[in-house]
Amino acid sequence: GNSVTQMEGPVTLSEEAFLTINCTYTATGYPSLFWYVQYPGEGLQLLLKATKADDKGSNKGFEATYRKETTSFHLEKGSVQVSDSAVYFCALTWDAGGTSYGKLTFGQGTILTVHP
Amino acid sequence: EAGVAQSPRYKIIEKRQSVAFWCNPISGHATLYWYQQILGQGPKLLIQFQNNGVVDDSQLPKDRFSAERLKGVDSTLKIQPAKLEDSAVYLCASSSIRGLAAKNIQYFGAGTRLSVL
Repeated sequence: GNSVTQMEGPVTLSEEAFLTINCTYTATGYPSLFWYVQYPGEGLQLLLKATKADDKGSNKGFEATYRKETTSFHLEKGSVQVSDSAVYFCALTWDAGGTSYGKLTFGQGTILTVHP
Repeated sequence: EAGVAQSPRYKIIEKRQSVAFWCNPISGHATLYWYQQILGQGPKLLIQFQNNGVVDDSQLPKDRFSAERLKGVDSTLKIQPAKLEDSAVYLCASSSIRGLAAKNIQYFGAGTRLSVL
């Protein structure tokens, strides 16, 4: 079945450091890929997405490129801030047919802590 | 635009008791999802509704969990009787069926944190 594997965390960085969180997936067909972020005490928020190979999703300085050849969707940011401290989830979904997309399959999440 | 509303935010019960969670999706969203998020793990889908019909409940422990979405709007998830391993955050999400770009984005509520003692 479909699955998502994220790099093991937690990740601790100093402010302005470069961030990479690795994500690889296993899926049949052509899934859509997502990064969701969960700030303390809040629900999951969509950070960025890509729906086909070589698409680059970007938002708030974060980027991820849909790499079909390596089945990866790594999250990157050039300069992290303390406010980026959160849990990051990589996820995929695929067209279940009809007018509805299927369920999101999530990775286990990566805790990011950024120190001043 | 109001987001996905969930209540209560927190619930503490003893094992073998029953509990119910409520979700109100974004107005006009036909698809509603319930996820279970155990501490340290990613969310796992329990059940998916399209309007008031069930699309996928393959991961729902039907001996103790039930869910309904009357009139295709609000939804209730119930656990009866609860077990210790049901301690988790229960997340509700909704998505639109209109527009290719919109229909694969799910919007999440803040969740209900359940502790079973």
